[in-house]
Amino acid sequence: QVQLQESGPGLVKPSQTLSLTCTVSGGSIRSGDYYWSWIRQSPGRGLEWIGYISNSGSTYYNPSLKSRVTISVETSKNQFSLRLSSVTAADTAVYYCVREGIMGSTGPAQYWGQGALVTVSS
Amino acid sequence: DIVMTQSPDSLAVSLGERATINCKSSQNVLFTSKKTNYLAWYQQKPGQPPKLLIYWATTRESGVPDRFSGSGSGSEFSLTISSLQAEDVAVYYCQQYYSSPRTFGQGTKVEI
Repeated sequence: QVQLQESGPGLVKPSQTLSLTCTVSGGSIRSGDYYWSWIRQSPGRGLEWIGYISNSGSTYYNPSLKSRVTISVETSKNQFSLRLSSVTAADTAVYYCVREGIMGSTGPAQYWGQGALVTVSS
Repeated sequence: DIVMTQSPDSLAVSLGERATINCKSSQNVLFTSKKTNYLAWYQQKPGQPPKLLIYWATTRESGVPDRFSGSGSGSEFSLTISSLQAEDVAVYYCQQYYSSPRTFGQGTKVEI
């Protein structure tokens, strides 16, 4: 059973960079044709898909966030990470790391982390 | 971006009764050559992440009770709970994974 766990600071100051790491267990981040994604949820914006990185390293970012987002992978640690720069209060949300795909191919978000609340405040 | 619109926003159903949630996409999410709709349904309870219920519009995820069913094709879809149980109280979301960025509906709150 694949499990994902987010980690990182719960409080970030405005204009700084939000950094989160997702540790994957129960399966290798290199196996299968999956997308390793970040999704966030806030009362005002609902569920918002941020972007993904594939096991080949290709990325796709939501155009609404593209200029501020970087998703990277560290296969030796079975982890992938999110960096969101120049944050404002509007970036306050619960951030989920997710594995997209079913049976080794394109698909929905089958596995989710428990979520990490990140608050942007001075 | 494909816009996903759910209706209603909230729904009160008696125990044992049927609940139906609708979802419309602004564009077709049917991959014609594969005859497959790239549409999923999720259930979210307070303090928990969303849980995948249905994918490919009609396929139940492993372990999901058979009182949950999905239907529809193209741009109009439905999630039906045939006999509502107390543990089904939650917010339900539809999502398209036909194109990036993936997008979600605004959610439908199901209450008793």
